[in-house]
Order: sequence, then C-alpha cells, then structure tokens
Amino acid sequence: DGGITQSPKYLFRKEGQNVTLSCEQNLNHDAMYWYRQDPGQGLRLIYYSQIVNDFQKGDIAEGYSVSREKKESFPLTVTSAQKNPTAFYLCASSIPGKEKLFFGSGTQLSVL
Amino acid sequence: DAKTTQPPSMDCAEGRAANLPCNHSTISGNEYVYWYRQIHSQGPQYIIHGLKNNETNEMASLIITEDRKSSTLILPHATLRDTAVYYCIVRVDHNNDMRFGAGTRLTVKP
Repeated sequence: DGGITQSPKYLFRKEGQNVTLSCEQNLNHDAMYWYRQDPGQGLRLIYYSQIVNDFQKGDIAEGYSVSREKKESFPLTVTSAQKNPTAFYLCASSIPGKEKLFFGSGTQLSVL
Repeated sequence: DAKTTQPPSMDCAEGRAANLPCNHSTISGNEYVYWYRQIHSQGPQYIIHGLKNNETNEMASLIITEDRKSSTLILPHATLRDTAVYYCIVRVDHNNDMRFGAGTRLTVKP
C-alpha cells in the first residue's frame, strides 16, 4: 500500500543528545514537510522540501536539521540546541501545487 | 497567507449536522480555503477545499460566503467518529508551506 511511514512511534532523548526521526514515503511525491505539535496546540512548520537536495526553513527551524538526499526520505534531526524538544512530530508529503497533504502517524519525542 | 479564526471548541449531537465556522477576512483573490481534521494522536486528514464556489464530497460540504471572508464546513450527519480537531487553512494553491492554526475541537455526543 502507498503511504508515508514515520519511525519510531516513540523516542526518548537524553540531555545533549541528537536524535533523528525517520520519514519515508512511497507515494512518489516531490514535496515533504515536518511539523511539530505541542499538547493542545496546532501544527507548526519546521522544515519543508519541494524537491530532492533542496529544503527551506519553516517557522520554528532553530535546533532542527534535515536532509533530502532521496525523493522517498526526509529525516529530521533534533539537535542538542533544541532546548524543549518534547512534542509530537508529524511528517507529510504532497505533489507540489496540489491540495492534499498526506500525513504519517507521527513520532512522540520525550526528554529523559 | 491570510490568517483564519475558528472557535476553540464546539459540541454536536450524534446524527445532527455539524456546522464549523471559519473567518478569513483578509483572504486574497487567489487563496483557497482548505479543511483538515485530526483525530487524537494521528496525522491530520484532508477533508475538502474550495476557492469561490461551494463544494461537496463524500465527507463534507464547504460553504464559502460571496465576499469570501468566511466559510462553514458542514458534516451533514455527525457520528461519534467525527470527534476531532478541525483546521481551516487559507493559502495560495502553488504555495507549498501550509500553516495550521489551533483549529476547532468538535465533540460529537450520543
């Protein structure tokens, strides 16, 4: 089945540690996105990529990094510079210029 | 992209129509209105979108006022499974950075 897969579902980070969240899609979509969601809040855009080897910062990019080496993959690294990383992270993909975003099931990141 | 304003929460009786309002008074002529919903701890799901005309699909209807400054999402026969947070978003179609606000938390009650 075509879709977008995020892993792991739950992730724990120690103080000062970098962690990487995986996002893979087999929908052949060019555009991919990362959002952060805090409890009771809406989604905030971290980074997005419209094409391989290119990406742009969203509203809250500080403390995060991404790469887009393959069309299917858009991993997000939460660096030690992100002082409050505990949140629900959502990855999405779409065909550029089209209306539908397809979301993964999310990764809950918590700090130990 | 224009900002949207939605009520933080609404209740609806099961089997009745749920009417979710959205204000977007600064919308420009080339901006579309999109609706997504998010069931607890899942990724948002696309519902419907429109530019000027009213739209209907298998999930919902979208009514956009003539001046385009507000819209209403209608779930014609709400079920308990429609309990979710509903997001109204406006953006230019070619713009790929879709922003979500806080949305409306709809609770469908038996």
